[in-house]
Amino acid sequence: RKEVEQDPGPFNVPEGATVAFNCTYSNSASQSFFWYRQDCRKEPKLLMSVYSSGNEDGRFTAQLNRASQYISLLIRDSKLSDSATYLCVVNGPGEYKLSFGAGTTVTVRA
Amino acid sequence: DADVTQTPRNRITKTGKRIMLECSQTKGHDRMYWYRQDPGLGLQLIYYSFDVKDINKGEISDGYSVSRQAQAKFSLSLESAIPNQTALYFCATSLGGPTDTQYFGPGTRLTVL
Repeated sequence: RKEVEQDPGPFNVPEGATVAFNCTYSNSASQSFFWYRQDCRKEPKLLMSVYSSGNEDGRFTAQLNRASQYISLLIRDSKLSDSATYLCVVNGPGEYKLSFGAGTTVTVRA
Repeated sequence: DADVTQTPRNRITKTGKRIMLECSQTKGHDRMYWYRQDPGLGLQLIYYSFDVKDINKGEISDGYSVSRQAQAKFSLSLESAIPNQTALYFCATSLGGPTDTQYFGPGTRLTVL
């Protein structure tokens, strides 16, 4: 079983739309959660950390549900520049490890 | 200039060849990592290093070795490349532990024929 599972998509949305997707994680002991963004053939970059109470960064909102072991990312008012693959990242298993999901691809069309 | 650089950016090699991928960083971070990325899979940790004297195996270290020549340099070697090592390889650094933000290099696309 994969440590982190994501719907690969692609999610094709028009500009201005709202898009949301989840990832699930298997390690109930995980304490740190992140969303990274990866453009085609480029390196991943941190988009945002995910906090227990949920958090927002501009048009991006992340939620954590520990009971069901999933994390969500919502993008409001989508821009063409939001087209990318979004990687769900969770710490563990083990103290020094990060587990990466395979990514959810979002394509925003004009 | 990029904070984390990798050389080469692309490499095609043949089965059985030895190859070295290099990573340099100017961020002053002690912690460095090597990952590989395959289509449909998440990044997998190959090796990580918390300082020059500390090297640790990740989840898929077989067939790979590393060298931490200095705080700023961390090299990955494939002693005898095989086709299933064809992948995109990323070096990353972090200031603190792996739960701190990781800063990735631009990647090396390796093809083993």
